Amino acid sequence: EPEVTQTPSHQVTQMGQEVILRCVPISNHLYFYWYRQILGQKVEFLVSFYNNEISEKSEIFDDQFSVERPDGSNFTLKIRSTKLEDSAMYFCASRREQDTQYFGPGTRLTVL
Amino acid sequence: AQSVTQLGSHVSVSEGALVLLRCNYSSSVPPYLFWYVQYPNQGLQLLLKYTTGATLVKGINGFEAEFKKSETSFHLTKPSAHMSDAAEYFCAVTLFSGGYNKLIFGAGTRLAVHP
Repeated sequence: EPEVTQTPSHQVTQMGQEVILRCVPISNHLYFYWYRQILGQKVEFLVSFYNNEISEKSEIFDDQFSVERPDGSNFTLKIRSTKLEDSAMYFCASRREQDTQYFGPGTRLTVL
Repeated sequence: AQSVTQLGSHVSVSEGALVLLRCNYSSSVPPYLFWYVQYPNQGLQLLLKYTTGATLVKGINGFEAEFKKSETSFHLTKPSAHMSDAAEYFCAVTLFSGGYNKLIFGAGTRLAVHP
């Protein structure tokens, strides 16, 4: 069964550094998402992406964040200058036309 | 605006006992509702969903949920808990408008199953 994959599974970085989190959505899916879950808190929507552009973003998704689909398979989330409060589990999800979003296993980002 | 409330951040049951995880939602239009499960160190796996039609929906691993519009609820149940059901469960709502369908999650309920 096809699945969403994410790399790396765990990323440790220093405050102020740039990080890129990578996702490979399910191949025939058209809508792509990033969510995050700070330890002990709920899963929060960050951004949705369709037809090579951002379709919606939350107030969390400020100028430090960007997303890209550089080729036909990858979907990336970049954080330009990480802060301590960016430490969280980041989930990628994808969806085709139907309603269900399929989630990847997540990348745990630790900012020191 | 849509929102989801899950009553009880921790639920503990005995193996073989009924599992009931509560979810209430707020939505100004008919919602689509989902339950996801997260096992330790894993991602979110879809358990079941309600979109339209039959209000009692069955999912994987013997779970089911009933959409009750009058109560704005979508509680998750399983008649007999198994040790392998220990996980965190998230209720989520989305609005299908032909748009981009972000999910709004509840805070989650951690289910413990003891022998």
